[in-house]
Amino acid sequence: AQKITQTQPGMFVQEKEAVTLDCTYDTSDPSYGLFWYKQPSSGEMIFLIYQGSYDQQNATEGRYSLNFQKARKSANLVISASQLGDSAMYFCAMRAPGNTDKLIFGTGTRLQVFP
Amino acid sequence: DAGITQSPRYKITETGRQVTLMCHQTWSHSYMFWYRQDLGHGLRLIYYSAAADITDKGEVPDGYVVSRSKTENFPLTLESATRSQTSVYFCASGIPGQGTYQPQHFGDGTRLSIL
Repeated sequence: AQKITQTQPGMFVQEKEAVTLDCTYDTSDPSYGLFWYKQPSSGEMIFLIYQGSYDQQNATEGRYSLNFQKARKSANLVISASQLGDSAMYFCAMRAPGNTDKLIFGTGTRLQVFP
Repeated sequence: DAGITQSPRYKITETGRQVTLMCHQTWSHSYMFWYRQDLGHGLRLIYYSAAADITDKGEVPDGYVVSRSKTENFPLTLESATRSQTSVYFCASGIPGQGTYQPQHFGDGTRLSIL
């Protein structure tokens, strides 16, 4: 069965520093997609970044990058130059197998950025 | 404005009552999803729909009913609400991936409390 594991319930980082949020996944499907979403205190889910299983390079979107290590089945989110507005819950998710586009989510990591 | 809209944003009801959560999207996305978010569980899929008149169960479907008579609407009904269904409910929509998987787009959520 597919599974997403986020082992860090909470993380602290100082403003302007980089932070890595861990995500490991388990699947036997050779084709899959990995996503990161941000949920600020206002509650909405904001898509951040996507990595495909066949992508050769790590995905980047502005200050967000995804450290994709396929052999280790990890897809860690790296936020560079943290800002106070980055304080939020972060969810890692994986597309389920088959032609359904369902997502399987991890339990999330709460990031707090302090001045 | 284009997007995905959930209503109501907040709802308080009593056990045993029927309640319907509405979801409307203007993108004409074929896929729509209902998730619930509970502390310690992340987001879990309740039901999803690949197209109008096509629905299927997700991970936690018991106690819920969905319908999709039109592409843009995907209501979720709790036929006889129970306290365990107190949660934040998210509707999402997306398009089928073709090589690269597209992210799902989420509504702002409905916070449902069952007394």
